[in-house]
Formats: sequence, structure tokens, C-alpha cells
Amino acid sequence: QKEVEQDPGPLSVPEGAIVSLNCTYSNSAFQYFMWYRQYSRKGPELLMYTYSSGNKEDGRFTAQVDKSSKYISLFIRDSQPSDSATYLCAMTKPNTGNQFYFGTGTSLTVIP
Amino acid sequence: NAGVTQTPKFRVLKTGQSMTLLCAQDMNHEYMYWYRQDPGMGLRLIHYSVGEGTTAKGEVPDGYNVSRLKKQNFLLGLESAAPSQTSVYFCASKGATNTEAFFGQGTRLTVV
Repeated sequence: QKEVEQDPGPLSVPEGAIVSLNCTYSNSAFQYFMWYRQYSRKGPELLMYTYSSGNKEDGRFTAQVDKSSKYISLFIRDSQPSDSATYLCAMTKPNTGNQFYFGTGTSLTVIP
Repeated sequence: NAGVTQTPKFRVLKTGQSMTLLCAQDMNHEYMYWYRQDPGMGLRLIHYSVGEGTTAKGEVPDGYNVSRLKKQNFLLGLESAAPSQTSVYFCASKGATNTEAFFGQGTRLTVV
């Protein structure tokens, strides 16, 4: 069983919708939580990262971490066609040589 | 500022051939990583390095070797390519004080 689980989708929403992307994890040692966005045939790019439980907002994006439930979410408000991409959650834990543990990614399409 | 550069971007190999993928970063990062990305499998860590002259195995190291002779370069070698190694390969780097990893644009490798 993978330490980080993510629903692969695909997810298709109309422009302007609120999108919710989620990951669960099994190891309470994870400390840093990240969301990467990957456009087709490109490398992943960091969208947001958080360290503690709670919410972090950046424009139309909100990252949420619930350590007690081992659950993280990314919300996208007023979704745009340019948000169409694969979103990967990632997390790190101590004493692993700074390894990143990735979810499998959720493919999102925003329809104009 | 080029960031992380992977060479080549595309390659087709015959079964049994060998090749080396080059990753170069110009951010003076300590940590470097090689991942492969396959449909439905997400990013899987092949090998990583925590500094010049060091390497370590990741989740899927079999069939690959790596070297980090210079801090800015991380080489991934396939000694005898197999069709199962058909994938998209991503290199990433991370600084000691950074949270995020920076990715290259990927190398699409097909083994026939």
C-alpha cells in the first residue's frame, strides 16, 4: 500500500466551478505538504506548500491540511481553462534524505 | 537562469542498448533526484543524491545506475535497456533550505 493515496480522476468541471482535490496519507511523520501542477508534456511545478494543519490561501487556490485525519486538500475557486492540468500532492518526512512522496496525480479539465 | 535541464528530451532505444540521461542544475542545490512517471503510477523515485559524490536507491532502482561526480550534474544510466523502462524520466533538485523540488522538463524514452 502506498503511503500517499490520491484519486486519479479524471475530473471535468465547467469554467467557474469550485474544484476540490484530495490526498490521504498513512504516516503521521509527514511534515511538509505540497501541491504540484503539471501541464501536459511538462515537468511538475510547485503550486503551494504548507507545514502545519490549517488553511493557506494564494489567490484562487487554498491548501488545507488536517493532520488528525491524515488528509490534505487543494481547492480552486473560479476555475479557469488554464487550470486544466494534472495536480500532484507531495509530502516529506524527516530522516529520509529529503525524499518526496507523491500521490499519483489527479487529471483536471476545466471546460469553457 | 536555466534551473534544471535534462538532456536529451526524447530518445528511442533498442532492447539491450545503453544510454545516459544527463541532469544539470544551476541553483547550487545539494539534493538531486531521478523519477520515472508512468500512467496511473505517478512519480516513482529511482535514485537520489544528498550531495556531491553520494547516491542512494529509491523505490524502483533496478536496471538503473547513477553518478554525481559534480554537484551540478546527476547522471542516470541504463546499462541494458528493456521495454519496461519505456517511460518519462524527470530530474529534480532541491536546496538544503528549500521546501520544494524543482523539476526539469522530462525525457521521453521509448525502448523497442
